[in-house]
Parts: sequence; structure tokens; C-alpha cells
Amino acid sequence: AQKITQTQPGMFVQEKEAVTLDCTYDTSDQSYGLFWYKQPSSGEMIFLIYQGSYDEQNATEGRYSLNFQKARKSANLVISASQLGDSAMYFCAMREGPNFGNEKLTFGTGTRLTIIP
Amino acid sequence: GAGVSQTPSNKVTEKGKYVELRCDPISGHTALYWYRQSLGQGPEFLIYFQGTGAADDSGLPNDRFFAVRPEGSVSTLKIQRTERGDSAVYLCASSLRDRDPNEQFFGPGTRLTVL
Repeated sequence: AQKITQTQPGMFVQEKEAVTLDCTYDTSDQSYGLFWYKQPSSGEMIFLIYQGSYDEQNATEGRYSLNFQKARKSANLVISASQLGDSAMYFCAMREGPNFGNEKLTFGTGTRLTIIP
Repeated sequence: GAGVSQTPSNKVTEKGKYVELRCDPISGHTALYWYRQSLGQGPEFLIYFQGTGAADDSGLPNDRFFAVRPEGSVSTLKIQRTERGDSAVYLCASSLRDRDPNEQFFGPGTRLTVL
């Protein structure tokens, strides 16, 4: 089974609208972390937001928020008031185990987001 | 400050040749990671260094792949007898391991093409 599933290969969104990028995950660990990265056409991976499995509040970073539903094993990224510069590939990733333990990240296949002026 | 740098940015080689890919992590970062990203896929973990030692090399696909980090800073990923299936972007990341989350900072990658 896939550990990270991103079911939306591509999305088109009007500028200034909000957008939700879906991510579901599969792990038997109680302690884990979920990350979202942005990859523009330049290729560099840019960290956006993190949610720990024990965090009770949904993470927020500026226009980014993470809709964490632990029982459903989903960690959707919400981008509010989208901008043209948000056009990029977006990857959801998971670290299984506690922080400072097993450090490797498992990534999904990504969603290509295109913002339309 | 300077981010993670990788050289070369592009490498074209012939099947069967040996290649070395270099990663310069952010100064002071103790942890270093290599990932491989094939076209249309997310990055795939290869190996993780803590200091000079490989803490987890479970992602290396076979014994043609090897990586070193002799002084705990720069790392080199070495691929012997390259195959066409090795063509991908090889990403390096580093982290400080002093905070939660342990955010990984990525370099721009080396695009390897095996003809």
C-alpha cells in the first residue's frame, strides 16, 4: 500500500480563490510527522508547513493551513487567497516515528497546481 | 546565508560509466540526506547521514550506489556502471536536528541523464 497518496495530479484555480490539496497517509506508528513541500519549475523543494501526530491544533503558516484529520489519516493543505506565484508542484510527505529518530521522508506523487489570472 | 548546493547541475553520461554527484550542505547542519526524483514522481529516499556515518542507507537501490561524507560536511553520491534507469534528478537535503520539526532544506538537484 502507498504510504502517501495524493489523488489530484493537477488542479486549476482562479487567482484569489482558496484551494485544498488532498493527502492521505498510511502508517502504523503512533508518532509521525506530516510535511508539505512546494516545488516550483526551478526544481528546489521549499518547506511549507508541518503537523506532528500529537499536535492537537491544525498547523498554520501565513496563507497555508493544514487540515489534519487523524482518524481519517488525512492531512490536506489549504492555501487561502491564491496567487500566481503559487503555481507549482506540491508534495505531501511523512516521517514515521518520533522526531530525531528515523529521519527519512516518504513523499507522495504530487499535485500540479496552476493559478489562473 | 548560503543554502544547500549541488554540483554539477546537469550530468550526461553513457551507460556503464561511473559518476560522482556532490552535495554541500548548509554550514553547521549535521544531518544530510540524498533523494532521487524520477520524472513525474515524488522524491524517493536513498540515504541519510548523521555526521560522518550513514545512519540509514535502506533506500540505496543496489550495490552500484554508494555515498560518503568523510568529514561530516560535503557528501558525494557515487554510482558505478550507470544504467539508463538511473536517469533522474538527485536531490540533497540537510538539517540541523535541533528543533521540532526537523525541517530538511533541499538543494536544487543534479539532473543525471544516462544515454
